Amino acid sequence: KAGVTQTPRYLIKTRGQQVTLSCSPISGHRSVSWYQQTPGQGLQFLFEYFSETQRNKGNFPGRFSGRQFSNSRSEMNVSTLELGDSALYLCASSFTEYSEAFFGQGTRLTVV
Amino acid sequence: SQQGEEDPQALSIQEGENATMNCSYKTSINNLQWYRQNSGRGLVHLILIRSNEREKHSGRLRVTLDTSKKSSSLLITASRAADTASYFCATDALASGTYKYIFGTGTRLKVLA
Repeated sequence: KAGVTQTPRYLIKTRGQQVTLSCSPISGHRSVSWYQQTPGQGLQFLFEYFSETQRNKGNFPGRFSGRQFSNSRSEMNVSTLELGDSALYLCASSFTEYSEAFFGQGTRLTVV
Repeated sequence: SQQGEEDPQALSIQEGENATMNCSYKTSINNLQWYRQNSGRGLVHLILIRSNEREKHSGRLRVTLDTSKKSSSLLITASRAADTASYFCATDALASGTYKYIFGTGTRLKVLA
């Protein structure tokens, strides 16, 4: 079956703009988590959604938001982009919170 | 602070040798997962080991878990150049009544041909 699909793969945005990233989980998976990966901070948890509800949120400012649709696809939005938001954003899906989480290839966001 | 911390941060070995990476964590867990990442791409799931398991194998991979020491190790036997990657452990951490995975800082493995 198809894996986790993230779009787009690469993005270049200007400071102050906003961006929306998309994640399509593995069919049947209802849990979707988002992570930010930077060289300095490693993999940082952003938030997790299950059945359209945000269940957990990491320590990120309110500029980072997300949502999940009824088909389990998820989007994350970052408003008022800052240079420090440049990172690889990874999405993971799993059947439940106790099962294996499978990752997409990520979206590399560069803010200039 | 990180829930999982891998050790060593970097490891360089010759092809054919075994590679061992360790992960320590701080709180009780339900399970622990190991992932591989090549050159800043997506993470590839390797093994999930549950808290009531002590050892698990998958091909050339062997994972152990010691919940009393809050540590896990990943052993890659007969390493290959293609094993060159960063390896991360992820532990589930209870937050707001549900679990989320927290990743360690990773071990960068380089296998020399």
